[in-house]
Amino acid sequence: GAGVSQSPSNKVTEKGKDVELRCDPISGHTALYWYRQSLGQGLEFLIYFQGNSAPDKSGLPSDRFSAERTGGSVSTLTIQRTQQEDSAVYLCASTGRGFSTDTQYFGPGTRLTVL
Amino acid sequence: AQTVTQSQPEMSVQEAETVTLSCTYDTSESNYYLFWYKQPPSRQMILVIRQEAYKQQNATENRFSVNFQKAAKSFSLKISDSQLGDTAMYFCAFRRGTSGSRLTFGEGTQLTVNP
Repeated sequence: GAGVSQSPSNKVTEKGKDVELRCDPISGHTALYWYRQSLGQGLEFLIYFQGNSAPDKSGLPSDRFSAERTGGSVSTLTIQRTQQEDSAVYLCASTGRGFSTDTQYFGPGTRLTVL
Repeated sequence: AQTVTQSQPEMSVQEAETVTLSCTYDTSESNYYLFWYKQPPSRQMILVIRQEAYKQQNATENRFSVNFQKAAKSFSLKISDSQLGDTAMYFCAFRRGTSGSRLTFGEGTQLTVNP
């Protein structure tokens, strides 16, 4: 079946602009995660959604970052007033029933470059 | 807090030979999961193998196997009969046993398989 998809694949923006990154999880997966992968910080957790529960936003680095998940499926990560340090690959993962529940399956990521 | 350490930034191996990637972790949790993910240049994070901490038997998946030493908090990945397609960045990751827990990643090991 279809895996996790993310769009756009690459995004170049100017400092100060807002960007939206999209994640489509695997159909039927109830949990969705966002991670950031950057040269200086490695792979970092950003936010976690589970069904209709309040999201775990504890990994968001600043209030310029926000995310929502509509209808329990598609998620959008929004970065306002982008800064050069926001340049990174943003990865989305969803939880399903592979080896067992809670194995996270990742999308191909969005590479964000802030000029 | 959990930490994951991969002390080998880069490794190389000849095609058809065996290579072992090292990973150590630190946690006070008793129930947790450990993972190895592979990230080729396409950026897609691919699950290679997982290990439940409560299982003493080491996980195996075809050419991939782990050496899980719980007391030593060590979780190494052995790749047998290395293939050119195994060239990738390999990440060791930890997750608490609680449903929905985030992944904590190591720094990664870049593996190159030479013909």
